[in-house]
Amino acid sequence: EVQLVESGGSLVQPGGSLKLSCVASGYTFSNYWMDWVRQTPGKSLEWIGEINTDGSKTNYAPSIKDRFTISRDNAKSTLYLQMSNVKSDDTAIYYCTRPSGGWFAYWGQGTLVTVSS
Amino acid sequence: DIQMTQSPASLSASLGETVTIECRASEDIYNGLAWYQQKPGKSPQLLIYNANSLHTGVPSRFSGSGSGTQYSLKINSLQSEDVASYFCQQYYDYPYTFGAGTKLELK
Repeated sequence: EVQLVESGGSLVQPGGSLKLSCVASGYTFSNYWMDWVRQTPGKSLEWIGEINTDGSKTNYAPSIKDRFTISRDNAKSTLYLQMSNVKSDDTAIYYCTRPSGGWFAYWGQGTLVTVSS
Repeated sequence: DIQMTQSPASLSASLGETVTIECRASEDIYNGLAWYQQKPGKSPQLLIYNANSLHTGVPSRFSGSGSGTQYSLKINSLQSEDVASYFCQQYYDYPYTFGAGTKLELK
């Protein structure tokens, strides 16, 4: 059974940094691209970005480019999201997802990031 | 970015009724569209991909259709467990984008 478990969400001050993790199990992590998607308090969903199987290629949404970095450690079956210079608009639940051709069949339970002073 | 306009924003329907949710893309997305169901406090769950392909394990009362810029999700014979929010997503082009969602309630 595919399982994705995020962690690392917390309260962070504007301008601060935070690193989220997502541990995958139930499949061969290194064989699949991985994505991050977030859901704001208003409930809309926003795609953040993706990383290829060996971590050599990433794509990001223009709205977060240069502030967020996606990486992975295949030996640990773990996906990361490094968030920097966070803003109040970054307050959201962050999900890691495993894509299949662009759609997302597998989602984690999410981790909450709150940006506030 | 491709904008996804979803309608209606909310919907109230009776058990056994047929419900249709629409999604319009700002440009042709060539069937690169998925639908998700999200229940309160839970992660989104995939229902439909490639506009009309039913994901494994999804009840057959759910169906997707459309082409070009216009797509729809239909739920036949509404069940109580279908009360949820529904989102469309285009993956034809980067950045992937989602509709604002439709909240489905029982009348």
